[in-house]
Amino acid sequence: ETGVTQSPTHLIKTRGQQVTLRCSSQSGHNTVSWYQQALGQGPQFIFQYYREEENGRGNFPPRFSGLQFPNYSSELNVNALELDDSALYLCASYIRGSGNTIYFGEGSWLTVV
Amino acid sequence: AQKVTQAQTEISVVEKEDVTLDCVYETRDTTYYLFWYKQPPSGELVFLIRRNSFDEQNEISGRYSWNFQKSTSSFNFTITASQVVDSAVYFCALSEAESNYQLIWGAGTKLIIKP
Repeated sequence: ETGVTQSPTHLIKTRGQQVTLRCSSQSGHNTVSWYQQALGQGPQFIFQYYREEENGRGNFPPRFSGLQFPNYSSELNVNALELDDSALYLCASYIRGSGNTIYFGEGSWLTVV
Repeated sequence: AQKVTQAQTEISVVEKEDVTLDCVYETRDTTYYLFWYKQPPSGELVFLIRRNSFDEQNEISGRYSWNFQKSTSSFNFTITASQVVDSAVYFCALSEAESNYQLIWGAGTKLIIKP
């Protein structure tokens, strides 16, 4: 039990639609990161938020956006869905500073048809 | 550029055998962190270990042990007396100190433990 919960666990969307994935972190975790994991591959870093501001971004287009809220929850939004967006989306949270463990949620499985 | 290579795509062993999962990394930073995570079919990534670049001591935790060698840029993971419950995909990951734990991941090794 990591204390990081994600919703929904599974969803199916049509190409061109928009999706919002949600993550609830442990209390006090001021940093949240989102990763995309395609089937059979390792996770890829999408972006990171620290104290509600974007604090790093991977090689993902602007149609991937996020928000972090004061209550330690966050969102990943993807616009204009493409078939290649089908993947497991993982949320990770931690308290910034050395020696802290990064906790992952169970992920949201997104299928784009 | 940072890179993590897990050359073993899939390993299959019989229960109680020892098994080693390889991880080779590339980074230009002198300060970095290395991680191992376990991913069961449910999808959740389970933290196993974090090692910083200044600590080359090997670590043992129960049946798990890790061999960190900076000279060969490797951070290998050994499971002793494997059990069926160890079956999962195992990922090695790298984070440079300046990146605030933005992890670069290997492709993972699928470990199958047969009864």
